[in-house]
Amino acid sequence: QQQVKQSPQSLIVQKGGISIINCAYENTAFDYFPWYQQFPGKGPALLIAIRPDVSEKKEGRFTISFNKSAKQFSLHIMDSQPGDSATYFCAAFPSLGGWDDMRFGAGTRLTVKP
Amino acid sequence: NAGVTQTPKFRVLKTGQSMTLLCAQDMNHEYMYWYRQDPGMGLRLIHYSVGEGTTAKGEVPDGYNVSRLKKQNFLLGLESAAPSQTSVYFCASSYDRNTEAFFGQGTRLTVV
Repeated sequence: QQQVKQSPQSLIVQKGGISIINCAYENTAFDYFPWYQQFPGKGPALLIAIRPDVSEKKEGRFTISFNKSAKQFSLHIMDSQPGDSATYFCAAFPSLGGWDDMRFGAGTRLTVKP
Repeated sequence: NAGVTQTPKFRVLKTGQSMTLLCAQDMNHEYMYWYRQDPGMGLRLIHYSVGEGTTAKGEVPDGYNVSRLKKQNFLLGLESAAPSQTSVYFCASSYDRNTEAFFGQGTRLTVV
């Protein structure tokens, strides 16, 4: 069973639009929520991460919104560009545990059309 | 600075064959990990190592073995490959248990 549920599985957005990817978790021990970006033929790379003491974190065009009571978090990509086309994974991690306790979502394949 | 390097990048195996995937990191990281990536499943941890000479099971360890004889290398072995092991395999390493891990470029393995 997937401990971190991610949706949608795929997403097509026009250039300049907003891309939104959602994730939900059950385990309340999770307290670190990173997002990874993976280009074809490459390994995942950390994009942005959030801890539950804040409800939002912004880095450039990328924003994580976090809803602790609903146990949900989402990635928003503003002004989406063709270069953002990649697979995005959310993940959840219990800081009292370790990296081996990290759980990943199933991934969202984002295509940004020019 | 190579980071995390995996070899080979692609491999096709017949059912029942064995093979070893090599992961090498040049960042002096203590922790190393092997993941498999399957469509609709995300990344799942197979085995990991917390230092030279140590290994531990992850979420999906069955059918795989690992060894960490040198700090910079982490080997993943398939003793008798099965079609269910067709996947993309990623190695990662981190300085310690709670710091960010860096991934290699992956090995695409097909078992026919």
